[in-house]
Amino acid sequence: KQEVTQIPAALSVPEGENLVLNCSFTDSAIYNLQWFRQDPGKGLTSLLLIQSSQREQTSGRLNASLDKSSGRSTLYIAASQPGDSATYLCAVSKNNDMRFGAGTRLTVKP
Amino acid sequence: NAGVTQTPKFRVLKTGQSMTLLCAQDMNHEYMYWYRQDPGMGLRLIHYSVGEGTTAKGEVPDGYNVSRLKKQNFLLGLESAAPSQTSVYFCASTPLAGGRGYTFGSGTRLTVV
Repeated sequence: KQEVTQIPAALSVPEGENLVLNCSFTDSAIYNLQWFRQDPGKGLTSLLLIQSSQREQTSGRLNASLDKSSGRSTLYIAASQPGDSATYLCAVSKNNDMRFGAGTRLTVKP
Repeated sequence: NAGVTQTPKFRVLKTGQSMTLLCAQDMNHEYMYWYRQDPGMGLRLIHYSVGEGTTAKGEVPDGYNVSRLKKQNFLLGLESAAPSQTSVYFCASTPLAGGRGYTFGSGTRLTVV
């Protein structure tokens, strides 16, 4: 059974800092890994999707990496802003089965 | 641009009552999903559908039923609500299998007392 773990559960940083969020998964037989953002009281918004054959994806200040063999992914956020405050979830997919981590709650202080 | 709409947004039920959550999408997506999100846990898949008239069980299907009579609607039913079903329920749709192009609704917060 696929287990997805995110560390840390919560993170608070001052504005402008670069930061890394971690995600690990137990079964490396995945199609892709995806990072989502969730704002309080809202649904999830997809940020980056990495196919199993890829190593990383970038979008603006966000960079996600994938090491499938070791079961790890990181989400790097450069020059953090207060507007980045949200919960970030990673999810791994195989067929119609997408398994989520519990998320990292990020607070960026002005 | 409605995307995925969930109704209701909030509901309080008494133990043993029944209710139906409605998910509607206007993007002509084939695949639709129901998840629940509990504190300290990630989203868990309850049921999903790969097209009109089809449904399948996910990771935590017990106590729930679903129907997909029309392509744009995916209904989640609780026949006899239990306090353990207190959760936030999310619906999602996608045109493709395998995780791409997910659009999520804003959630339904259900409390069973």
